[in-house]
Amino acid sequence: AQSVTQPDIHITVSEGASLELRCNYSYGATPYLFWYVQSPGQGLQLLLKYFSGDTLVQGIKGFEAEFKRSQSSFNLRKPSVHWSDAAEYFCAVGAGAAGNKLTFGGGTRVLVKP
Amino acid sequence: GAVVSQHPSRVICKSGTSVKIECRSLDFQATTMFWYRQFPKQSLMLMATSNEGSKATYEQGVEKDKFLINHASLTLSTLTVTSAHPEDSSFYICSARGRRNTEAFFGQGTRLTVV
Repeated sequence: AQSVTQPDIHITVSEGASLELRCNYSYGATPYLFWYVQSPGQGLQLLLKYFSGDTLVQGIKGFEAEFKRSQSSFNLRKPSVHWSDAAEYFCAVGAGAAGNKLTFGGGTRVLVKP
Repeated sequence: GAVVSQHPSRVICKSGTSVKIECRSLDFQATTMFWYRQFPKQSLMLMATSNEGSKATYEQGVEKDKFLINHASLTLSTLTVTSAHPEDSSFYICSARGRRNTEAFFGQGTRLTVV
C-alpha cells in the first residue's frame, strides 16, 4: 500500500524568503504525485502534479516540485513566498486510473512572517 | 478548471439524526467521485470511491451502513451520515473525475458538527 510522509508539521518563513516543503512517498510502481494547498475551512486546490516525463514540475502560484526517484521524494519549492501563501500544504500519491485515488501526507502548515 | 460544488458548506445536526451532503460536478460529467474525511488538524482520509450507476467501494474501517453513498447520475453524488454521533463531526470533502480528466477536482468541503 502506498504512503506519504511530510516530515515537517509546521514551517515559519519570512515574506520574501524561499520555501521548501518535504515529501517522501512509498509506492510499488511509478507514482502519480500531487501537491495541494488548503486554506482554513476550504477545500483543496491543486498546485501541481507529476505523472511522467520531466522530473521538475512547474505549478501555479510560482510553485515547483522535483521528483527524485532515488530518494522517493517530491519536494515543493517556491523562491519567494507571499503572505497569501500561508496555508496547509498536502502531498499526495495517487493510485488507480490517472492516480485519482489519493493517499495524503499529514500536511505541513506554513506560517508567513511579515 | 472543472468546478465541483458541495452543499451544504456547514451543517449542525442533533445526535441520532441523519445528514445528507451533496457533491455536484457543475461543468463536466463525473464518472468517478471520491469522498474524504478530515479530522481537525489532520490529513484527509479516503472513505469511499463511487462510480456512476454502481455501488460505492469503501475503504477498510469505513462503515458502509453508516456512510451511505449514492452516485445516481453523472453530476451528483451524495453522502448520507446516518444516525450521526458527535464523533462523526468532521470535515467531509468530495472530489470528482470525468472520463476526459487527468485529475480529480475537489469540492470546497462540508463541516459537519453533531451536537
